[in-house]
Amino acid sequence: KAGVTQTPRYLIKTRGQQVTLSCSPISGHRSVSWYQQTPGQGLQFLFEYFSETQRNKGNFPGRFSGRQFSNSRSEMNVSTLELGDSALYLCASSLALAGKETQYFGPGTRLLVL
Amino acid sequence: AQRVTQPEKLLSVFKGAPVELKCNYSYSGSPELFWYVQYSRQRLQLLLRHISRESIKGFTADLNKGETSFHLKKPFAQEEDSAMYYCALSSGATNKLIFGTGTLLAVQP
Repeated sequence: KAGVTQTPRYLIKTRGQQVTLSCSPISGHRSVSWYQQTPGQGLQFLFEYFSETQRNKGNFPGRFSGRQFSNSRSEMNVSTLELGDSALYLCASSLALAGKETQYFGPGTRLLVL
Repeated sequence: AQRVTQPEKLLSVFKGAPVELKCNYSYSGSPELFWYVQYSRQRLQLLLRHISRESIKGFTADLNKGETSFHLKKPFAQEEDSAMYYCALSSGATNKLIFGTGTLLAVQP
């Protein structure tokens, strides 16, 4: 099976712009989660989707949003970019919505905000 | 508050030496505990989880509920074990993972 894929892999934006990141889960996986990874804050949970519904949300401002499509692919959007949004954004997919499920991570999208 | 603490940012050992990566957690309830590993230029991947009670690549981890710890151990370190190790917990009801800050394991030849 192909692993989790994320596009684009690298992105450079300027402050005030918005950005959309895409995640394609492993075939058959219905749960997609997003994380932000920075040197200062480490790995932080953004949100989780299952069957096109947001099931959980982390402590991020409303500028961060996401959605999931019927084929389980997911997108996250960040509006009005700030310098502090520069990070590696990871998505992870798993088969079901249960804490004991193995989550498989993508390679990440590295976002640089200038 | 839910929290995972990995006190060591860097752990440097010699090949063949025992390794123990520390992880303590704070959670009201019965969490699921995991160790994830990230090798250089590779994606984050699951190493092991407490519910499986298995040994992966010679690593084991025992959940100690009394001490709220889930330390990762290996009796004899190999150079290929050099990587970033993250301890994480989830509630059991969702896939939300709370990660520690990670420990960089450097195994010297």
